[in-house]
Amino acid sequence: EADIYQTPRYLVIGTGKKITLECSQTMGHDKMYWYQQDPGMELHLIHYSYGVNSTEKGDLSSESTVSRIRTEHFPLTLESARPSHTSQYLCASSDPTGTANEKLLFGSGTQLSVL
Amino acid sequence: SQQGEEDPQALSIQEGENATMNCSYKTSINNLQWYRQNSGRGLVHLILIRSNEREKHSGRLRVTLDTSKKSSSLLITASRAADTASYFCATRLRGGGGNKLTFGTGTQLKVEL
Repeated sequence: EADIYQTPRYLVIGTGKKITLECSQTMGHDKMYWYQQDPGMELHLIHYSYGVNSTEKGDLSSESTVSRIRTEHFPLTLESARPSHTSQYLCASSDPTGTANEKLLFGSGTQLSVL
Repeated sequence: SQQGEEDPQALSIQEGENATMNCSYKTSINNLQWYRQNSGRGLVHLILIRSNEREKHSGRLRVTLDTSKKSSSLLITASRAADTASYFCATRLRGGGGNKLTFGTGTQLKVEL
């Protein structure tokens, strides 16, 4: 498995709580991504970053926010969790082999359940 | 609608048989990639095929790309129980699509002993 770490692996939390999902990589990759995936479904890009202090929204609208203060760290925050946020959240970074032929390296994911 | 759609949605075969999964997409691509996802885990990159390539091999994997039909197939030969997973194609768009990958709907493969 790649050196990209997500914590926690599982999180069960009540409605209204603020949560932060952690994602760290030790490879010095500039590009990092957050995907949301419902069970048995495709991945949807919700946030991405091309470097420090760079963050963009993805293709799927999300109430979450992200920050990129350090190259190795790309946390995702939900200010007030709701049951509709229940999903698997996958973090990835790009293997910098060239702009067009980059491939993604994924963490193991965080399974979030909001009660 | 999704850039990538795969079929079948689910496939069940016996160990030793070959498994074929197909991916169709809508717009011009720079490259197409296949990923595997074990249940409850992240995705693992398997193979990348560029738009000017027609076929690529990696171990027991064979990928084909037909840009005229906007489709790709992934063949796993001599399947093993450990191949049980979901398989996703992902496309990187040509030109204005930027550097983002768009994933397909996935094929769930089950290899039985």
